[in-house]
Amino acid sequence: GEDVEQSLFLSVREGDSSVINCTYTDSSSTYLYWYKQEPGAGLQLLTYIFSNMDMKQDQRLTVLLNKKDKHLSLRIADTQTGDSAIYFCADRLFFGTGTRLTVIP
Amino acid sequence: DAGVIQSPRHEVTEMGQEVTLRCKPISGHNSLFWYRQTMMRGLELLIYFNNNVPIDDSGMPEDRFSAKMPNASFSTLKIQPSEPRDSAVYFCASSFRTGQGTGKNGYTFGSGTRLTVV
Repeated sequence: GEDVEQSLFLSVREGDSSVINCTYTDSSSTYLYWYKQEPGAGLQLLTYIFSNMDMKQDQRLTVLLNKKDKHLSLRIADTQTGDSAIYFCADRLFFGTGTRLTVIP
Repeated sequence: DAGVIQSPRHEVTEMGQEVTLRCKPISGHNSLFWYRQTMMRGLELLIYFNNNVPIDDSGMPEDRFSAKMPNASFSTLKIQPSEPRDSAVYFCASSFRTGQGTGKNGYTFGSGTRLTVV
């Protein structure tokens, strides 16, 4: 299958920005996605980006896409304790292993 | 719509027993996916169906695992016989896929079944 890779852990202080990075291999994905998983719950779609876009902003979330390098990132501005969760990037079929974001008060 | 419904939420079974996990996808979705999540391996795609037909089962760990989708509103994942290393959270997800892929709505996940094999 296609590989989607992420780092496993990220810790930030409350109020700082978080940046979660992802690399993928499937260049045919029309959309790329970010999902959020809170403890004990399933994954929920957080945001997406169309493959012909470089950037998408949605309130505190900014998604950057570098198609040449097949690199996707999610920036969360003014990170709050409620943002603590596991974040998954995904292409049309495969998910990364998830990045566990811990927000330190 | 009630979302993707999985049952049971929790399952504890003894090694060697048969386990059946169930999933009801969102009405109108034409693709269904089974994933397994563990701390060590993250989220793994086991198998997916398109229009009730299995498309790719290369992620199914071994012959002990089987999945069926007899109709558009129901799927099962069966493990027989179960082993302790099968302990994980199993997620079902559904989506509406076209030739362009899943689209901006992505996948809708169920709440998962936490399986413990002792």
